[in-house]
Amino acid sequence: NAGVTQTPKFQVLKTGQSMTLQCAQDMNHEYMSWYRQDPGMGLRLIHYSVGAGITDQGEVPNGYNVSRSTTEDFPLRLLSAAPSQTSVYFCASMGDGGPGSEQYFGPGTRLTVT
Amino acid sequence: AQSVTQLDSQVPVFEEAPVELRCNYSSSVSVYLFWYVQYPNQGLQLLLKYLSGSTLVKGINGFEAEFNKSQTSFHLRKPSVHISDTAEYFCAVSRDDKIIFGKGTRLHILP
Repeated sequence: NAGVTQTPKFQVLKTGQSMTLQCAQDMNHEYMSWYRQDPGMGLRLIHYSVGAGITDQGEVPNGYNVSRSTTEDFPLRLLSAAPSQTSVYFCASMGDGGPGSEQYFGPGTRLTVT
Repeated sequence: AQSVTQLDSQVPVFEEAPVELRCNYSSSVSVYLFWYVQYPNQGLQLLLKYLSGSTLVKGINGFEAEFNKSQTSFHLRKPSVHISDTAEYFCAVSRDDKIIFGKGTRLHILP
């Protein structure tokens, strides 16, 4: 099993550009989530999904869109990038034992917006 | 609102000394509590979790944590740290469908 994969590993965008961060998991997990990590801020939840076709907002959803058309994939879209979105982005999936289950994290995407 | 507070942003400790990383949560109902570790330039991985039952939870790499409901704390401890424990440690709480992380504590191991 590859676990949780993310592409790309690094990305530089100009202000106003759009892009999609890809996330896929091969563990057949229903729950997936996106976090951003900033120095001194820990991980903040952007969006999450409890299954295909179902998404919801986390703590910092503004400027980001998600969709979940399949169990495996959970892409994160930046519609119009801003320098404040410079961050490291982590995708995670969670086992199906309920809210007490372990989350499995991808390796992260480091995004710089100039 | 539910939140997680990690009281120290950085903790320096000498190699082979004991360490405690502090975590407090705010919630009036049952929660699930976690500690995750992030080694340099990597994603996060689970150290241990508390769901119910015994308040002392043992995890990987010799770490343990104690759930204290009256103090709403879930402190992480290790009796003797090694240079390989250099990492950032995150406390997290799960309730409903959301998993919320603290701001992290960076553990520095001094030779």
